[in-house]
Formats: sequence, structure tokens, C-alpha cells
Amino acid sequence: ETGVTQSPTHLIKTRGQQVTLRCSSQSGHNTVSWYQQALGQGPQFIFQYYREEENGRGNFPPRFSGLQFPNYSSELNVNALELDDSALYLCASSSGGGRAGDQYFGPGTRLLVL
Amino acid sequence: DQQVKQNSPSLSVQEGRISILNCDYTNSMFDYFLWYKKYPAEGPTFLISISSIKDKNEDGRFTVFLNKSAKHLSLHIVPSQPGDSAVYFCAASAMDFGNEKLTFGTGTRLTIIP
Repeated sequence: ETGVTQSPTHLIKTRGQQVTLRCSSQSGHNTVSWYQQALGQGPQFIFQYYREEENGRGNFPPRFSGLQFPNYSSELNVNALELDDSALYLCASSSGGGRAGDQYFGPGTRLLVL
Repeated sequence: DQQVKQNSPSLSVQEGRISILNCDYTNSMFDYFLWYKKYPAEGPTFLISISSIKDKNEDGRFTVFLNKSAKHLSLHIVPSQPGDSAVYFCAASAMDFGNEKLTFGTGTRLTIIP
């Protein structure tokens, strides 16, 4: 059984640029959630996708957007990067229908915005 | 507004002794609480959860206690082992129009001293 994978592992961008982060779900999972973890903070919920549709969103501006593909992999896109977007971005997949403990997290993508 | 708080950023415990990690929350709508463990360069791993209708849940060396009136939960690890050294996140969730949103605390770094 393949776990949740994320790419790239690290990324450096400059302010104003756009970035795309990728997540491959665990086999059999149809739900993906994205989180932002700033330094010294806990993960903050960005949004969730269920069967290719956005299924809930946290307090993040519209420049944070996502996609989920038919194979349930997912992308997180961030436009007009700001310095405060520097963080670890985590995705978590689940089979849906259960509570949050059913989520499996990937190792994250560390984004640095200069 | 930090709805889930872990007031101890770090904790050191002797191997074999009990580790107690604490978490407070403010939102009365939370009905499900979880603990995650995170090693460096890995995503958070689900450890144990508790529903708001219970006050205790046990799984091997890990026990979570919930005090709803005090809006407080704690994780007990006994006996503590060196492999337990990690960052522990408390999280709480509430269903919002059928969508579950997870709110994390800032984490406590647990170090087990051999």
C-alpha cells in the first residue's frame, strides 16, 4: 500500500510568483485536505477536496486554490506569493465518511518565499 | 484567535515515567478531539482520538482524558519510551454543514531522557 506522497520536498520562490504543490493520495482514498504549517504553529486547514469538488475551506484568501484529479491526486496553487506564505504545506488523504483520525498525512512541501 | 491551545512548547520526561501533555480549547462546538505525533521530515501521524460523549479513551500506552466542563484534554503516555520523543499536536474538530474542519494546537515537543 502506497502512502501519501508530496512533491517537491522543498521549494524557493520570490514574492509575487505562483507555485503549484502536488499530492498523491493513499491508495483507495477519495478525499484530500491541505494544511499550512507556519514555523512554530500547528497545521491550519486550507481546504478539502472530495471526488474532485471543493468540500470545505478554511480562512485562506482566494489566491489559494486547488484541484483534485480523477485519480484523486491533488494540487495546491498559490498565486501572488507573499512572504508570510513561507511554511510547510501538508496534504492528508482519507477514504471519506469517517472522522478526521482517518486522515493520513504526507511528509509536506517546505516553501520559502523571498 | 487560537481556539486550541497547547501552553507547554516543550516537555522532558525520564524514560519509564509518565508523560502528560495538555491541551485547552475554547469552541464549544468541537465534538471530536485527536492527538497527532510528528517526527522531523514526516507528516503528523494519528495517535488517538476521543469523542465528546466520552471522558476517557485508552490505546495501549496512550490514554486521552477529556474534561468538557473545563474544555481541557490531556494525553498520558505510560511508560514513556525514547521513541516517543516527537512533537505532539492536539486537534479538535466540528462538523460544519456536513464538512469536518480540523483545528490544531501549536504543538508540544516531548523529549524522553534515557
